[in-house]
Amino acid sequence: GAGVSQSPSNKVTEKGKDVELRCDPISGHTALYWYRQRLGQGLEFLIYFQGNSAPDKSGLPSDRFSAERTGESVSTLTIQRTQQEDSAVYLCASGPGQGPDTQYFGPGTRLTVL
Amino acid sequence: GQSLEQPSEVTAVEGAIVQINCTYQTSGFYGLSWYQQHDGGAPTFLSYNALDGLEETGRFSSFLSRSDSYGYLLLQELQMKDSASYFCAVRSLSGSARQLTFGSGTQLTVLP
Repeated sequence: GAGVSQSPSNKVTEKGKDVELRCDPISGHTALYWYRQRLGQGLEFLIYFQGNSAPDKSGLPSDRFSAERTGESVSTLTIQRTQQEDSAVYLCASGPGQGPDTQYFGPGTRLTVL
Repeated sequence: GQSLEQPSEVTAVEGAIVQINCTYQTSGFYGLSWYQQHDGGAPTFLSYNALDGLEETGRFSSFLSRSDSYGYLLLQELQMKDSASYFCAVRSLSGSARQLTFGSGTQLTVLP
């Protein structure tokens, strides 16, 4: 079926506004991950969902960041009171949650905070 | 915590062989993965090692030595399209939480 999709592809917002980013994982994938990638940098783990287990939120940089996932489907990453340092590409990945733990990445959302 | 080290840049010519090393520090090690990312694109999975030894997938091979906390990605018969960033990533267990940590990436440039 289709791969991981994310929306919007680009988001420009003003400092202090809230933004919501969406991720549609591959159907049947129980694992879902959010990462942040600043320009020219590596991937920074944010949060991990696995089935109905409590999410691993250990990578969220501050309490302005939160994420939800409905069952094994769509996930939303919310950033409140955005700051300029939040500007980055936010990548979502899904995986089968077992075996070699392969992750399939979406195209990302490029967030620019002015 | 977890940390990974890999070279920031590697340059090689078409047809050559290049090795990208990755050393890691972690507890509760599960496995080491490699991802490729072209400029402006999303990372794509290349390989995964949970046990010591060499895994081969076409022109790409990945090696792991758990006792040395070390792995590498070997790219053979380099092609121009292999120019990209390559990330190693370690999965580990910290307390009850699974952690996934990526290295900062190695920019591979393949010259004609």
